[in-house]
Amino acid sequence: DAKTTQPNSMESNEEEPVHLPCNHSTISGTDYIHWYRQLPSQGPEYVIHGLTSNVNNRMASLAIAEDRKSSTLILHRATLRDAAVYYCILYSGSARQLTFGSGTQLTVLP
Amino acid sequence: DTGVSQDPRHKITKRGQNVTFRCDPISEHNRLYWYRQTLGQGPEFLTYFQNEAQLEKSRLLSDRFSAERPKGSFSTLEIQRTEQGDSAMYLCASSYGQTDSGNTIYFGEGSWLTVV
Repeated sequence: DAKTTQPNSMESNEEEPVHLPCNHSTISGTDYIHWYRQLPSQGPEYVIHGLTSNVNNRMASLAIAEDRKSSTLILHRATLRDAAVYYCILYSGSARQLTFGSGTQLTVLP
Repeated sequence: DTGVSQDPRHKITKRGQNVTFRCDPISEHNRLYWYRQTLGQGPEFLTYFQNEAQLEKSRLLSDRFSAERPKGSFSTLEIQRTEQGDSAMYLCASSYGQTDSGNTIYFGEGSWLTVV
C-alpha cells in the first residue's frame, strides 16, 4: 500500500485557519486522497476526498499538489470541536480497505 | 439516525469467555468492514464483506475471530476464548460501491471490549 507521512501533532488557535499537510510521494494514478478525523472515543468521521483537483465541502478544503505527491487539508476557521486526530489516507477502491497511519493530533487553543 | 449502528457499545468480559458484537450498516450499503483500534493507534483492518460474501480477511483475524453477514444486511463479529490482548475498540463501517472508485466509508461509534 502507498504510504502517507503526517506530522504527529499540530496546534492552532481558535477561529484561525489550519493547514494540515500530508506527503504521499508513492501515490499511484488510481489512488484517491481521503481525509478522516477521529474525535476522542468516537469512530472515524469522513472529512473530504479528492483525486486530482482541489475540493471543497462544508467541513474543509483539500488542496492537492499538481504532481499529487502531497496534499493539504484546510480548516478555514478552527473551533474547539475540531480538536481530533486527522488521518490522511490513500485509497484505491480495489484495495477494499482504508489503511490508517498514526495521523496528526490537532489541538485547538481557545 | 441512519448511520452505522453498533451494539453493545461497551462490553467487559472475563478471559476465556466468548463475545459477539453486532453491526447494522447504513441501509443499502453493500460493503461492510470491521476494524480494531487500540489506544493511541489508528484503526487496523480486520475483514471486509461485499453483500454477504466475506472477500478479505486480515492476518490479524485469528482463528478465534469469526465474522458473518447473513443476507448481506447486519453483521456480527464473534471472539471466542477472549484474551486480554483482545481488549480494544471494534469498529464497523459501511459504504456503497459498484465500481472500484473512491467511495466514502462511514464508521460506527465502535464497541469497546475490556477483557479482565
